[in-house]
Amino acid sequence: GAVVSQHPSRVICKSGTSVKIECRSLDFQATTMFWYRQFPKKSLMLMATSNEGSKATYEQGVEKDKFLINHASLTLSTLTVTSAHPEDSSFYICSASTREWNEQFFGPGTRLTVL
Amino acid sequence: GQNIDQPTEMTATEGAIVQINCTYQTSGFNGLFWYQQHAGEAPTFLSYNVLDGLEEKGRFSSFLSRSKGYSYLLLKELQMKDSASYLCAVLDSNYQLIWGAGTKLIIKP
Repeated sequence: GAVVSQHPSRVICKSGTSVKIECRSLDFQATTMFWYRQFPKKSLMLMATSNEGSKATYEQGVEKDKFLINHASLTLSTLTVTSAHPEDSSFYICSASTREWNEQFFGPGTRLTVL
Repeated sequence: GQNIDQPTEMTATEGAIVQINCTYQTSGFNGLFWYQQHAGEAPTFLSYNVLDGLEEKGRFSSFLSRSKGYSYLLLKELQMKDSASYLCAVLDSNYQLIWGAGTKLIIKP
């Protein structure tokens, strides 16, 4: 159990376009979802925490207007990278948790390449 | 501030034992996690310690000392597939995961 999926797994887009990444908890209801960004050979950097039905809490330095997060249901959160630029190219990973669990379950990640 | 330290890189031989250390200073403590991450993939859960002592799970064991702010991950009978980054993460008082930078483990034949 506790499976989290992400879609797409890879995306290549042109500079200036917007990209939406979906994160789904397949067999549990996730009250909290986390979005991370990871640069090559670096650790995970938390971008934002989203609770179902409320606005996401962004970490310092993360532009909320550029990285739009929506957590509309207990099984789905989306991250939209707006007006993407090459420096937004990265590995984006979501994770999900419930109030009862301390553990976060990770999605497989989405590799974004902006040309 | 909050800080988690672990070595950047370690090298070990196939079949041997390796210990990866992690020290932490966080605002509160609600448990410590170890994750394994292969290149280009998301992290996968290895262990969770919230009480002092050793937790053994097959070839992997994890130890915690809360008074010392210290944990280690012990990998026995190393296999080539164990080559990966190992991430230490602490759940702080706000139930937020604070991540270490990861230890890249290189296994040589």
